[in-house]
Amino acid sequence: NAGVTQTPKFQVLKTGQSMTLQCAQDMNHNSMYWYRQDPGMGLRLIYYSASEGTTDKGEVPNGYNVSRLNKREFSLRLESAAPSQTSVYFCASRYDRGLDGYTFGSGTRLTVV
Amino acid sequence: GNSVTQMEGPVTLSEEAFLTINCTYTATGYPSLFWYVQYPGEGLQLLLKATKADDKGSNKGFEATYRKETTSFHLEKGSVQVSDSAVYFCALRGVTFGTGTKLQVIP
Repeated sequence: NAGVTQTPKFQVLKTGQSMTLQCAQDMNHNSMYWYRQDPGMGLRLIYYSASEGTTDKGEVPNGYNVSRLNKREFSLRLESAAPSQTSVYFCASRYDRGLDGYTFGSGTRLTVV
Repeated sequence: GNSVTQMEGPVTLSEEAFLTINCTYTATGYPSLFWYVQYPGEGLQLLLKATKADDKGSNKGFEATYRKETTSFHLEKGSVQVSDSAVYFCALRGVTFGTGTKLQVIP
C-alpha cells in the first residue's frame, strides 16, 4: 500500500526560483490537502481540493498555487520562492470531508535561501 | 472561528508512567475530533478519533473521550513506553490542528 506519495523529499531553492511539489494517492480518496508545518505553529492549511476539479484556499494560501490534476494527484506550486516559505510541506487525503481522518505523506523539507 | 488549544510541551515521563495530554477546542456544532502522532522525520499518522459527544476513541493503548460540556478531548495512556516518544497533535474536524505536544519517554 503506497498511500500518499510526495516528491521530492528534500529541496533547496534560491529566492525567486519556482518549483512544484507533487502528491499522489492511491486510496480513491475524494479530498486532498496541502499543509505546511513550522516549529511552534502546528500545521497550517495552504489549499485543499474537496473533489476532482475543485480547489479552495486555506489559512495561508499567499505565494502558492495548486492543481488537482485528476482524482489521484494534487500538486503545489511556488511561483517565486521566498525565505518565509522555508518549511516542511505535507500532503494529505481522505475519503469524506467531515468524518474521516487524514492519510499523510511523509513530507517535503523545503529550504529557500 | 474554530481553534484547538493543546498543553505545551515537552512532556517528559518515565517508562510505565500515566500520560495525559490536554486538548480543548472552540467550534460551532458537534465537530469530529482527532488525535495524530508524528514520529521523527515522518508524516502524521491518525491515532484515534471521535465523531460525537461522549464517544471514546482508542488505539494502541491510547484513549480520548469527546466531552461536549467541557469542549475537551484529552489524550490518555495508562503506561507509556519509550516507543511512544513522538509529537501528538489534536485536530478539529480534521482541518484545524493544535500546535503539537512533544512527548519524551525515558527508560
